[in-house]
Order: sequence, then structure tokens, then C-alpha cells
Amino acid sequence: DIQMTQSPSSVSASVGDRVTITCRASQDISDWLGWYQQKPGKAPKLLIYAASSLQSGVPSRFSGSGSGTDFSLTISSLQPEDFATYYCQQANSFPLTFGGGTKVDMK
Amino acid sequence: VQLVESGGGLVQPGGSLSLSCEGSGFTFRNYEMNWVRQAPGKGLEWVAYITGRSGSIYYADSVRGRFSISRDNAKNSVYLQMNSLRVEDTGVYYCASRINDFNYYNYGMDVWGQGTTVTVSS
Repeated sequence: DIQMTQSPSSVSASVGDRVTITCRASQDISDWLGWYQQKPGKAPKLLIYAASSLQSGVPSRFSGSGSGTDFSLTISSLQPEDFATYYCQQANSFPLTFGGGTKVDMK
Repeated sequence: VQLVESGGGLVQPGGSLSLSCEGSGFTFRNYEMNWVRQAPGKGLEWVAYITGRSGSIYYADSVRGRFSISRDNAKNSVYLQMNSLRVEDTGVYYCASRINDFNYYNYGMDVWGQGTTVTVSS
């Protein structure tokens, strides 16, 4: 199985900050990686698919990059509604696997 | 476009439960479906996958042999039959799929249900 390792597990930031979350796969997954945002009590929301493609309706301050084993999600200017937990997910092969999550909270 | 889960509840260890997820607003038979769960205070865990015509099915190692995914396209529904339940199966269960633009698991899951809660406890 492909293991997904996210870092950091949590980050404290302020509105307007640039925030970057990284995700490492235990083997090459090409660019088959997605990023999700989840708020308490809500279902996850797809932000980025295929490593760098912005899902329709998602603000352009979110961007993704990487390929192979190393990936990142960047929020260029953190907004109040962006405080949430973020997960990466490999979509290269079964079993599909998620990273452990990164909680972005207010500094 | 909507997915709505049902069937969650309280069950004793070793017991069984069947979850349902009904889709609407799209041609259900054309889309792959997944079940994803989340234990209380924990991260997301993918559970199972089924293609539109049930030709391919995959499971997480943690549920293989105990859980069974199926679908009835005439009822626009996908199911998760859960047997031999364990305390560690407790959590919110979501059904999810890739509906918009692409119809393939490689492109992530862009439509999710609201989740149904399963509690395994004596």
C-alpha cells in the first residue's frame, strides 16, 4: 500500500499569511494526488486534483504542485474561511490512501 | 447533484449494519462510487470502491472480508454491508464520487454525502 505522509500536522497562521503544506508518497504516484479541505462536522471538499488542477469553484489562492513522490498545497493569502483541516489523497492505485491531515488554526 | 447516506446507528461488537447512499441529479449508473470513513477525532480512511456496472470492486485491508460494497442502479443507490463489526469501525461514513468533468477515480472525489454515523459499542 502507498503511504501518504503530510507535514506539518498543524500550523498556526494569521489572515493574509502564505501557508504551505507538504505531502510525500511512499512510492511514485505520478501526478495522481488530490487535496481536500474539511471543516468540523462537514464532509471534505475537493480543492485540487491531479496535483495541480484547481477544482471548479475553488478560489485561486489555493494552488498545488509536485509530481512523483513530493507534493505541496499552498494558500497564497489565508482567509478567515480557510481555517480548517487539509488532507492529501493518492489516487494512483488501490487501496486509495489519505495523509494524516494538517490543521490550520489561528495564530 | 446530491448523495444522501442512511442506515447508521448503534450496534454491538460482532454485529452487522447496512448503509445506503442514494444519488440524484446525475446518471448514477455511469459513475464510480466510494465509501470513506472517519473515526471520531481522526483522519479520513478510504473503505471501498465500485465501478458503475460493478465490474471492479476494491476494499481497504482493514475491512476486506467483513464489508461488502454493492449497488442497484435502478434505485440509484450504493450499499455497504458491514459484518463482524469492531469498536474501531466506529465513525462517520461518507459516500463520495467523482461526478463533474471527469468520471474516474484518479481525479479525486468531488461530490460527498453528509455522512451517516456508525457506533460500535457494547
